[in-house]
Amino acid sequence: GENVEQHPSTLSVQEGDSAVIKCTYSDSASNYFPWYKQELGKGPQLIIDIRSNVGEKKDQRIAVTLNKTAKHFSLHITETQPEDSAVYFCAASLWGGSNYKLTFGKGTLLTVNP
Amino acid sequence: DVKVTQSSRYLVKRTGEKVFLECVQDMDHENMFWYRQDPGLGLRLIYFSYDVKMKEKGDIPEGYSVSREKKERFSLILESASTNQTSMYLCASSLLGPGVGETQYFGPGTRLLVL
Repeated sequence: GENVEQHPSTLSVQEGDSAVIKCTYSDSASNYFPWYKQELGKGPQLIIDIRSNVGEKKDQRIAVTLNKTAKHFSLHITETQPEDSAVYFCAASLWGGSNYKLTFGKGTLLTVNP
Repeated sequence: DVKVTQSSRYLVKRTGEKVFLECVQDMDHENMFWYRQDPGLGLRLIYFSYDVKMKEKGDIPEGYSVSREKKERFSLILESASTNQTSMYLCASSLLGPGVGETQYFGPGTRLLVL
């Protein structure tokens, strides 16, 4: 089955700096890669996703890049703010057919220091 | 707005007790999921269901069962709770099908302590 590795497990940045979280996946057939943000006391929430036919996607201060050949994808957060502090999870999936499962990475605790 | 609710935020049970965790979604989603979240291990899928009365095992189904009698409700059952099932349990739902069904909407979680 799919295996997703996520690094780093913790990341501390100063407000206004950029943050990068990286994930690798094992199944070359995977074609959907979402990122979830989990704030304290809440369930994870989708913040951005990318499909395998696209190399990069941006939404305001966040962007995701995908390298299919190397089987890795990354989350980039620019101009970080204290409210970006949370646990971030990457995930991978093969959509189509009867597979509805996401395989998650172990998470990255991002702390943005004011 | 999609809403996924879980019956309890915190639960304390004794070893050997039968435990029911309930999840309800209000958006007519076909897919529902149960995960457990442990520090350093991320989110691990226990069971999922893509239709009423249908269920499939996830990555860690041992010690758990599920029930889906109605589309909006998905229950996780610990037949005989053990201390190693102390964890945060997260329920999620999504629409069916690629192109529209990828986003999973999560509930707030139930933190279960088994003594």
